[in-house]
Amino acid sequence: DGGITQSPKYLFRKEGQNVTLSCEQNLNHDAMYWYRQDPGQGLRLIYYSQIVNDFQKGDIAEGYSVSREKKESFPLTVTSAQKNPTAFYLCASSRPGTGGYGYTFGSGTRLTVV
Amino acid sequence: QKEVEQDPGPLSVPEGAIVSLNCTYSNSAFQYFMWYRQYSRKGPELLMYTYSSGNKEDGRFTAQVDKSSKYISLFIRDSQPSDSATYLCAMSVVVTGTASKLTFGTGTRLQVTL
Repeated sequence: DGGITQSPKYLFRKEGQNVTLSCEQNLNHDAMYWYRQDPGQGLRLIYYSQIVNDFQKGDIAEGYSVSREKKESFPLTVTSAQKNPTAFYLCASSRPGTGGYGYTFGSGTRLTVV
Repeated sequence: QKEVEQDPGPLSVPEGAIVSLNCTYSNSAFQYFMWYRQYSRKGPELLMYTYSSGNKEDGRFTAQVDKSSKYISLFIRDSQPSDSATYLCAMSVVVTGTASKLTFGTGTRLQVTL
C-alpha cells in the first residue's frame, strides 16, 4: 500500500542537540511538506519541497533545516537554534494539480525536549 | 488576527445528534476548502473538500462554503461515538502546479457520547 512513513514515533532531545526526523513516501508525489502541531495552534508549515533538490521556507522555518536529495525522502532536522521544539511533527506529500486537497499525511513524530 | 479562526471546543453531543462545526477566514486568495479528521496521536485524514460556494454531501457529512461571508461549515448527521475526534478546517493556496500550502484552523474536539 502507498503511504507516508514517519520515524521515529517518539523522540526525546536534550537541550542543545540536533535531531533528525525521517519522512519517506512511496506515492510518487513530487511535493512534500513538514508541519508542526501545537495544542491550540493547529498545524503550521515549516518547509516544503516542490521537487528534488529544491525546498522553500514556510511560516515557521527558523531553527529547522531540510534536504531533498531523493524524491521519496524529505528529512527534517530540528537544530539547537529552535527554542521551543517540543511538538507533534507531521510530514505530508501531495498529488500534483489537486490544489490542496490531494494531501496525504504521515502518522507523526512526537518530539519532547528533556 | 489569524487567517483562519475555528472554535476549539470541546464539543460534547449525544449519539444521533446533528453536529455543526464552523470556521471563518480572512484571506480571499484561498481556493480549496477542506475538512480533516484527526484521532489522537495520528495524522489528519481528509474528510471532504470543496472549491466553490455551496453544499457538498457525502453520506452523513455535508460541507458548506459561503465565500461572500468567508465562512465554512461541516455538518455531521446521526453522529456516532466513532466520530469522536478533532476536526480541522484547512484552506489552500496553490504555489505551483505541484505544490499547495495549507492554512489550518486550530481544530475542534468533538466527543459523541452514548
